[in-house]
Amino acid sequence: EIVLTQSPATLSLSPGERATLSCRASQSVSSYLAWYQQKPGQAPRLLIYDASNRATGIPARFSGSGSGTDFTLTISSLEPEDFAVYYCQQRSNWPPLYTFGPGTKVDIK
Amino acid sequence: EVQLVESGGGLVKPGGSLRLSCAASGFTFSSYSMNWVRQAPGKGLEWVSSISSSSSYIYYADSVKGRFTISRDNAKNSLYLQMNSLRAEDTAVYYCARDADTAGFDYWGQGTLVTVSS
Repeated sequence: EIVLTQSPATLSLSPGERATLSCRASQSVSSYLAWYQQKPGQAPRLLIYDASNRATGIPARFSGSGSGTDFTLTISSLEPEDFAVYYCQQRSNWPPLYTFGPGTKVDIK
Repeated sequence: EVQLVESGGGLVKPGGSLRLSCAASGFTFSSYSMNWVRQAPGKGLEWVSSISSSSSYIYYADSVKGRFTISRDNAKNSLYLQMNSLRAEDTAVYYCARDADTAGFDYWGQGTLVTVSS
């Protein structure tokens, strides 16, 4: 079973700052690595799929990178609406089972 | 507009059963795999189960295997989760999510709350 670790658990930043979120897998994963944003009381929203592809309607300030076991979500300049919890997700090759990371909370400093 | 609307949540005693439904609209339901994902109060996301477009492939998380059954009715554009032998640790908001294959879970419902308590 692949385990995902996200760091840091909490990231305290100010609007306009750059956010760098890490997701590390316990073993090399396929290219399937997705990032989701979740705000309180809302369903998650897909941001990034296949490690680096922005989902439809996602602003360009969100970018994803990485391969193998280390992945990064970068928010180039935080907007007020970006303060939320971010989860990474992977899918094992076979059987295709999904795992989410524990999340990183980005809060206002 | 893609819409996923869950229903069927509520309060149930330990050992009891509940059936969740997810009504889909705005897309060709029969072309997509679907998933259930849950979130315990104040906790992170946990994938529960997935079902392929034609129901040929079904997978479960170990935490629910043998107790939960996922199914779908493409004629009714609906996804279901039959939950038996419920435990306190099954208490969560349950979301249905559309599976865009390698492109992630691209649409989610608003969730339905299941509370398992005596």
